[in-house]
Amino acid sequence: EAQVTQNPRYLITVTGKKLTVTCSQNMNHEYMSWYRQDPGLGLRQIYYSMNVEVTDKGDVPEGYKVSRKEKRNFPLILESPSPNQTSLYFCASSPTRDRGANQPQHFGDGTRLSIL
Amino acid sequence: RKEVEQDPGPFNVPEGATVAFNCTYSNSASQSFFWYRQDCRKEPKLLMSVYSSGNEDGRFTAQLNRASQYISLLIRDSKLSDSATYLCVVNGRLTGGGNKLTFGTGTQLKVEL
Repeated sequence: EAQVTQNPRYLITVTGKKLTVTCSQNMNHEYMSWYRQDPGLGLRQIYYSMNVEVTDKGDVPEGYKVSRKEKRNFPLILESPSPNQTSLYFCASSPTRDRGANQPQHFGDGTRLSIL
Repeated sequence: RKEVEQDPGPFNVPEGATVAFNCTYSNSASQSFFWYRQDCRKEPKLLMSVYSSGNEDGRFTAQLNRASQYISLLIRDSKLSDSATYLCVVNGRLTGGGNKLTFGTGTQLKVEL
């Protein structure tokens, strides 16, 4: 089954304790992206990757890091989480970049992070 | 001005009603357009793409007006199961290739008996 898998689904942690949210897709998609969703602000892009070893900042990259060492995985790293990073996070992927502009993205189930 | 603007609602309609959602976007170079549906606390899922000529999928009709930078979604004969948040999504090509999806904040629909 084609899917985007995120882990964990839920996490409550404390300020400053490094955490990683994993994202894996089995569709051989080149393009992957992370979003956060907050009430009244909608979905905002954090980082995206057009292929292995190619990553770029989205609209709200501050406080986050990503890596793309393999095509299928795109982890989101919070080195020193703060309460303003409490949010619902989605990973998404889509096909090749030439076709990507017209291809919708497939989303993971979401990760709800609470930073105390 | 937001890149993608939607009326947040909620729209409370009786079952069987016809309901229309509107969306405007600011980037005239935007290339492709979608409507996504998001159920409470779930991931967004593609409802339908929006084509310049307008397109229909069962009870759902999407239209695009590039000159006015306006997108619409019409739902006919609404069902209880249509209750969700509908996200207007605009896709633009990035300078270095790839694409960027910009999401509206969504319009909430509640269909009632």
